[in-house]
Amino acid sequence: GAGVSQSPRYKVTKRGQDVALRCDPISGHVSLYWYRQALGQGPEFLTYFNYEAQQDKSGLPNDRFSAERPEGSISTLTIQRTEQRDSAMYRCASSPGGGGPNYGYTFGSGTRLTVV
Amino acid sequence: AQKITQTQPGMFVQEKEAVTLDCTYDTSDPSYGLFWYKQPSSGEMIFLIYQGSYDQQNATEGRYSLNFQKARKSANLVISASQLGDSAMYFCAMREGRRRKGGSYIPTFGRGTSLIVHP
Repeated sequence: GAGVSQSPRYKVTKRGQDVALRCDPISGHVSLYWYRQALGQGPEFLTYFNYEAQQDKSGLPNDRFSAERPEGSISTLTIQRTEQRDSAMYRCASSPGGGGPNYGYTFGSGTRLTVV
Repeated sequence: AQKITQTQPGMFVQEKEAVTLDCTYDTSDPSYGLFWYKQPSSGEMIFLIYQGSYDQQNATEGRYSLNFQKARKSANLVISASQLGDSAMYFCAMREGRRRKGGSYIPTFGRGTSLIVHP
């Protein structure tokens, strides 16, 4: 697509439920990143993929969080047994990949998750 | 250790005036990139400007310019002729030259500065 698309835009869930957040990156972008942004804070790295391979998941807070990108395009971030502290904006970004540190980086509009 | 520091939680500026948003960074890599993003109340993240560590000149994009002082490790954003629509959160980010495993560069973001432009 023309931009990075995330769905749903808003998600309200009860504590203890599982949620799945979807990211559709820019067509052809190799790298896909997941960030979490708490209110009043900057984005915090969670994990990233090159193609379908998850290259770094060091930012995932615990084992309730997982992510996949099975065909190297759309990615899903799953949070199991949600807790109130998981409430945040979850952002996805993609980039063409490869090369040096000046490659473009496009964010989606994010999914606002609220755990009640 | 904090890699990106934005010391101004909030800034106010009069419409049509210039404003400088501060950003300092910490890295031992000789190759890195610095970014500024704008986040309006709608929540989207809008890329504004990029500065590479080897760039000889300060980056400029329209009313945005980056005051890059390498020795001081600062990358301040200057917005000239502020407009009401500039009111937003502004985030500074750095992408280091040292790749994480798998060959990508993960930007690290500061905590942001809230800018309010008043008439």
